[in-house]
Amino acid sequence: GAVVSQHPSWVICKSGTSVKIECRSLDFQATTMFWYRQFPKQSLMLMATSNEGSKATYEQGVEKDKFLINHASLTLSTLTVTSAHPEDSSFYICSARPGGSSQETQYFGPGTRLLVL
Amino acid sequence: AQTVTQSQPEMSVQEAETVTLSCTYDTSESDYYLFWYKQPPSRQMILVIRQEAYKQQNATENRFSVNFQKAAKSFSLKISDSQLGDAAMYFCAYRKGATNKLIFGTGTLLAVQP
Repeated sequence: GAVVSQHPSWVICKSGTSVKIECRSLDFQATTMFWYRQFPKQSLMLMATSNEGSKATYEQGVEKDKFLINHASLTLSTLTVTSAHPEDSSFYICSARPGGSSQETQYFGPGTRLLVL
Repeated sequence: AQTVTQSQPEMSVQEAETVTLSCTYDTSESDYYLFWYKQPPSRQMILVIRQEAYKQQNATENRFSVNFQKAAKSFSLKISDSQLGDAAMYFCAYRKGATNKLIFGTGTLLAVQP
């Protein structure tokens, strides 16, 4: 149980285009989902917290107009990188937390590698 | 602000031997959770073990156990009978009880020598 998927697993796009990444909880409902960014050989940094049916909460320094997050259902959250630039190239990981309790553990998706040319 | 420190960028262990990965954290909270996550070359983050701060007993999961020293704010991971499949990056993480935010350490890259 507790499987989280991401699609696509990798994407290459041209500078200036937008890219959408999907995060799905496959066998549980996730009131809350999280989006992380990981640069090569570095740790994960939380970008934003996504709550179903409400606006995402962004971490300090993360541009909300650049990284659009939509959590339309209890099993799906999307991250759209708008007008992507080479500096947005990174590994994006989502996680999901079962149920509504803050005591629950987060389960991670396999990540999406984005390369902006 | 809470911080998580992993002072060992890289570690190596012989197959079947035991290795301990270090993690310290800084917090003024009393309600929090600590985690060890494994990130193999596939980049998939896998939860290895979790410890609630209010529990005095150290968590164990098969070959994985922790040494939780609350007063010292130390949370080390012991891997017994190391296997080749244990080779990965290991991240220590902290979460304040009533919040969502996981704060990760910088990771320890573990190599397992056959």
